[in-house]
Amino acid sequence: DTGVSQDPRHKITKRGQNVTFRCDPISEHNRLYWYRQTLGQGPEFLTYFQNEAQLEKSRLLSDRFSAERPKGSFSTLEIQRTEQGDSAMYLCAGTSQRSSYNEQFFGPGTRLTVL
Amino acid sequence: KQEVTQIPAALSVPEGENLVLNCSFTDSAIYNLQWFRQDPGKGLTSLLLIQSSQREQTSGRLNASLDKSSGRSTLYIAASQPGDSATYLCAVRRVAGGSEKLVFGKGMKLTVNP
Repeated sequence: DTGVSQDPRHKITKRGQNVTFRCDPISEHNRLYWYRQTLGQGPEFLTYFQNEAQLEKSRLLSDRFSAERPKGSFSTLEIQRTEQGDSAMYLCAGTSQRSSYNEQFFGPGTRLTVL
Repeated sequence: KQEVTQIPAALSVPEGENLVLNCSFTDSAIYNLQWFRQDPGKGLTSLLLIQSSQREQTSGRLNASLDKSSGRSTLYIAASQPGDSATYLCAVRRVAGGSEKLVFGKGMKLTVNP
């Protein structure tokens, strides 16, 4: 158990609806990452926070996607006007500020299905 | 652009075999390399992390090596067990640009038959 939790674990929605996912890292994870994984592929980077600052965003993060980490603890990822192509596993990972190796520890993921 | 390749995509072996999983990357300017395990429908479990200055890391029956100059890493699994069945992914973190992101391969699905 990495201590990183994600909610919900599964989400089924209709095309055009908005969805929001939550990630709770452990308290010492000052860095937080979001990745997206489609079937048969490795995870792809979406965005990264150091404390509450969003420092890097992938081109995959279209205008319909927004991520926040308001207090430098939990993070949310919102997808507006979902499309079938958004169906994927959304993974969150954390890194401890005490780790000189920057090892990333992943949560269980949120499986999104867009009908 | 960093690309990570894992070949083969799948492997099926009888229990007890010693295994070598391969990972190659195109840009040798890496900060570190991580090997992960992923069970079906689950998140990623970190197995081993190798810093760019290291050549290998060991944890139990697992040993990972890194040859940065040739852009290769191998994960060695000794005396494989059915419980080792999972998808194994390698990922590299680049040095250039200070990017924190991991770039992943597509993974190798391992099946260990009893």
